[in-house]
Amino acid sequence: DQQVKQNSPSLSVQEGRISILNCDYTNSMFDYFLWYKKYPAEGPTFLISISSIKDKNEDGRFTVFLNKSAKHLSLHIVPSQPGDSAVYFCAASSAGAGSYQLTFGKGTKLSVIP
Amino acid sequence: ETGVTQTPRHLVMGMTNKKSLKCEQHLGHNAMYWYKQSAKKPLELMFVYSLEERVENNSVPSRFSPECPNSSHLFLHLHTLQPEDSALYLCASSLELLSKGETQYFGPGTRLLVL
Repeated sequence: DQQVKQNSPSLSVQEGRISILNCDYTNSMFDYFLWYKKYPAEGPTFLISISSIKDKNEDGRFTVFLNKSAKHLSLHIVPSQPGDSAVYFCAASSAGAGSYQLTFGKGTKLSVIP
Repeated sequence: ETGVTQTPRHLVMGMTNKKSLKCEQHLGHNAMYWYKQSAKKPLELMFVYSLEERVENNSVPSRFSPECPNSSHLFLHLHTLQPEDSALYLCASSLELLSKGETQYFGPGTRLLVL
């Protein structure tokens, strides 16, 4: 049973507009959340993270929002650029289970159209 | 350049073959990981090593055998695999076993096809 779900396998956005990628989780023990980006033929690279004590974390064009009551997080990319086209993975961990145990979603493929 | 390299990048093997996947990290990290990504499934953690000692084996079949001879190298020895073992195998490393704020650096992966 998937504990981290990314229900949209793909998303297309016009260049300059906002991209919103969503992630839901079921395990209430998760206390740390990460987003990774993956280009073809490369490994995932870390993008941004958020601790469960926060509801927002911002890094340049990337902002992650966490809604603990809804067990939902989202990644906002503003403005979207063609180089943002990649697969985005949401991941979660809990200190209790060993925070190295990352549970990943299946990923969302983002295409930014010039 | 992530500093984590994996060889080979692609591998085709028969069910009776024995092969090994190699991972090397040049980041001075102390923890290394093997992940598996099957088609249409999330990345799944297979093995975790910290300071060359295995700290996690997530119910992985014995036909997969990891080896960590030093903190820079990690191997995954494969024998008598099944076609359903065909997947992308990713290696990762982190400075220490992941703690809040730590991140894992991934290699490019080995695409394995078992015939």
